[in-house]
Amino acid sequence: DIQMTQSPASLSASLGETVTIECRASEDIYNGLAWYQQKPGKSPQLLIYNANSLHTGVPSRFSGSGSGTQYSLKINSLQSEDVASYFCQQYYDYPMYTFGAGTKLELK
Amino acid sequence: QVQLKESGPGLVQPSQTLSLTCTVSGLSLTSNSVSWIRQPPGKGLEWMGVIWSNGGTDYNSAIKSRLSISRDTSKSQVFLKMNSLQTEDTAMYFCASGTRVYDGWFAYWGQGTLVTVSS
Repeated sequence: DIQMTQSPASLSASLGETVTIECRASEDIYNGLAWYQQKPGKSPQLLIYNANSLHTGVPSRFSGSGSGTQYSLKINSLQSEDVASYFCQQYYDYPMYTFGAGTKLELK
Repeated sequence: QVQLKESGPGLVQPSQTLSLTCTVSGLSLTSNSVSWIRQPPGKGLEWMGVIWSNGGTDYNSAIKSRLSISRDTSKSQVFLKMNSLQTEDTAMYFCASGTRVYDGWFAYWGQGTLVTVSS
């Protein structure tokens, strides 16, 4: 199975700041990567798919990039509603999908 | 509007079998796949398995021997059965689907149902 290593595990940032979360795959996943946002007590919400495609309705301050084994999620101009946990998911290794352990984003 | 909703018992005794139902509206089970994904309290997400639009299934190799996913297309329902439950199976269980049948990502999620394994 492909392992997904996500960093950092937690992150504290100020309003308006730019935040970057990383995800590293144990082998090349050829951009088969999605990012999700999960708020406490809620189900995950899709942000990005195919490593860099913004899901419908997601604010443009969210963006994804990367290739090979290294991927990142960037949040520009952090807003209070962005406080949440973020997870990456690989789907290249179909159908043995695997998720990163998550990054908890808090306000400083 | 696509909606998925999980239902099932909140409490299951160790060694017993878990049965969950995912009721779907706004998408056809014969045109879309539905996966089950779980999340232990305070932890990450684990993909469990999928039922495809043609009724075929695939399972996470780690739990394959204990898991079965089926469906009733006339009722737009997908079922999960997992046997030999242990305390480590305590988790929020979600059903989820993509926009298209072979999407590897999950655009639609249910609200989740919490299952506690305890005597």
